[in-house]
Order: sequence, then structure tokens, then C-alpha cells
Amino acid sequence: DAKTTQPPSMDCAEGRAANLPCNHSTISGNEYVYWYRQIHSQGPQYIIHGLKNNETNEMASLIITEDRKSSTLILPHATLRDTAVYYCIARRLVSIQGAQKLVFGQGTRLTINP
Amino acid sequence: ETGVTQTPRHLVMGMTNKKSLKCEQHLGHNAMYWYKQSAKKPLELMFVYSLEERVENNSVPSRFSPECPNSSHLFLHLHTLQPEDSALYLCASSQDLEGEQYFGPGTRLTVT
Repeated sequence: DAKTTQPPSMDCAEGRAANLPCNHSTISGNEYVYWYRQIHSQGPQYIIHGLKNNETNEMASLIITEDRKSSTLILPHATLRDTAVYYCIARRLVSIQGAQKLVFGQGTRLTINP
Repeated sequence: ETGVTQTPRHLVMGMTNKKSLKCEQHLGHNAMYWYKQSAKKPLELMFVYSLEERVENNSVPSRFSPECPNSSHLFLHLHTLQPEDSALYLCASSQDLEGEQYFGPGTRLTVT
């Protein structure tokens, strides 16, 4: 799985859009970009994933650059409850026996300020 | 609520004790996972089960023993642990080995 690089921390004002960057310059063609978040003392929560097209769901939007070497997770109207560590993961999906691992890095600690 | 529950939420045990962590998923998923999250370290995958068969054992010491009696339940049996085993133990499930994983709230384990 490709290594991902994220800033260690970010701040965002409540009500504003939070844009979390992720670099994955060594990503291969069959690796998806996954985003999870972990609120303090809870288990990680799946947010969104994509391959090359931009994706949107009820939680967030995922913008992947055309060369797929980086992506941005967008929380359109951040609330205090969005304060968490956000993990960007590059992951292959191949139907073979043996799981494709979710390799969590250090993530970005996002703090939403009132 | 993610549909994945873990009990107990907190556990303190001595190094000579034997205890078990329990995970249950109510999502109809076929794959289940154990992760360990130590302070200031990334999540580490420990075990993976698919259709009740273990498909991955990530070089975990034998003092951790997983059990998957059916696709809804996963246990982690603990014996003669060390203080460095103190961590948050997280269970997750996914529809299959490729699907997105849904995590439980974790068990905070302290070994004294």
C-alpha cells in the first residue's frame, strides 16, 4: 500500500469548510483513497473513499487530483463534533484470500474552534 | 452507534490473570478484525477473520488468542499479559475483506 502524508494538525472555525490535504505520490492505479476519523476515545469511523473521481456523501466530499498523487477531504460546514484525528489511507482492493490491510498513519488532528 | 459493540469498555488486569474481550456485530458482515492502539502509536492490525476462518495473524504474541465462533462474534482471549500490552483494543467488521470497516468503541485495557 502506498504511503500517505498528512499535516499533523489543523485548526478550523466552526461553520467554515475544513479542507484536509493528503499526499500519496506513490499511489498505484488500483489503490483507493480511504478516509477515516477517530474522535477521542472512540473507534475509527469510516468517512468516504474514492479511486479517481470526486466523491460526495452525507459526511464529506473527496477531491482527488487528476494525477491521483494527492487528495483533499472537505467537511463543508464543520461543527465542534468534527474535532477528531483524520486518517488518509491508500488501499488496494483485490479479491484474494487475505485481507487488504488498513494501514493507519499518524493522521491529522483537526480542531474545530467556536 | 456503528452496529459493532465491545465489552467490557474498560478492563484492568494483573499479569497473571486470564480475561476475554468480546466483540459483536449486528451488521450481517462476514469479516471481523482485532486492532491494537497504543498511546501515541498508529493502529496496528492484529487478526483478521473471514467467514469464521482466520486469514491473517500479524505476528501477534501467543498470549493473545482470538476466537471467532460465528460471523457475528469475535473474542480475544488474554493471558499472562505484560504492562506494555496496555492499550485500546478495537474490533471492526466489514461486509467482506474488501469492504469499508466499521469499528466498535474499543476496550481500554490496563495491565498492572
